[in-house]
Amino acid sequence: AQSVTQLGSHVSVSEGALVLLRCNYSSSVPPYLFWYVQYPNQGLQLLLKYTSAATLVKGINGFEAEFKKSETSFHLTKPSAHMSDAAEYFCAVSEHAGGTSYGKLTFGQGTILTVHP
Amino acid sequence: DAGVIQSPRHEVTEMGQEVTLRCKPISGHDYLFWYRQTMMRGLELLIYFNNNVPIDDSGMPEDRFSAKMPNASFSTLKIQPSEPRDSAVYFCASSSQRGLIRRGETQYFGPGTRLLVL
Repeated sequence: AQSVTQLGSHVSVSEGALVLLRCNYSSSVPPYLFWYVQYPNQGLQLLLKYTSAATLVKGINGFEAEFKKSETSFHLTKPSAHMSDAAEYFCAVSEHAGGTSYGKLTFGQGTILTVHP
Repeated sequence: DAGVIQSPRHEVTEMGQEVTLRCKPISGHDYLFWYRQTMMRGLELLIYFNNNVPIDDSGMPEDRFSAKMPNASFSTLKIQPSEPRDSAVYFCASSSQRGLIRRGETQYFGPGTRLLVL
């Protein structure tokens, strides 16, 4: 069974500061990993995904994440926060092809990012 | 493409009434997912379909909930009878796995239906 743990339900940073949102996963098979962002009153939008190519993945809006197998982590970072980054962020895991739950995403509980001036 | 389309965007109903939520996936996508989002429980997968066939409905809370996908371009999630605890935002998402079997495919989410049961 797969699971995702996001450490910290709320993260607050100053504009221009580093953003670090933590995600740890548990999976019995090599996973695919995703970060989604949800702006208020909207659906989820993909930020980036790891699919067993490069371990450092770059996404939209200056975000990136690094897959670390030894730490079972996939933390999301951005060097300099912008006010428009304020949103809720979800980490998710899915199985490789051949898994019984192929195609299904398991989401973390989400982290609300607040950016203050 | 217009993306995943959901209707209605907002629904207010009274306890005991039947509620039907609708979803049109992105054309060509062969997976469709229904999620529920609440403050208490976060984002939960209710059911998902592959090629119009339900694959996993283990997340459906109880018999009051049912989902259908009569064709590749339409799905419904029905709650009958509705209860106040069903109040949530319901999302539909779709993805395509065809020909990309070795790569994790993105799920594209609709804007959601905000349901309030009084």
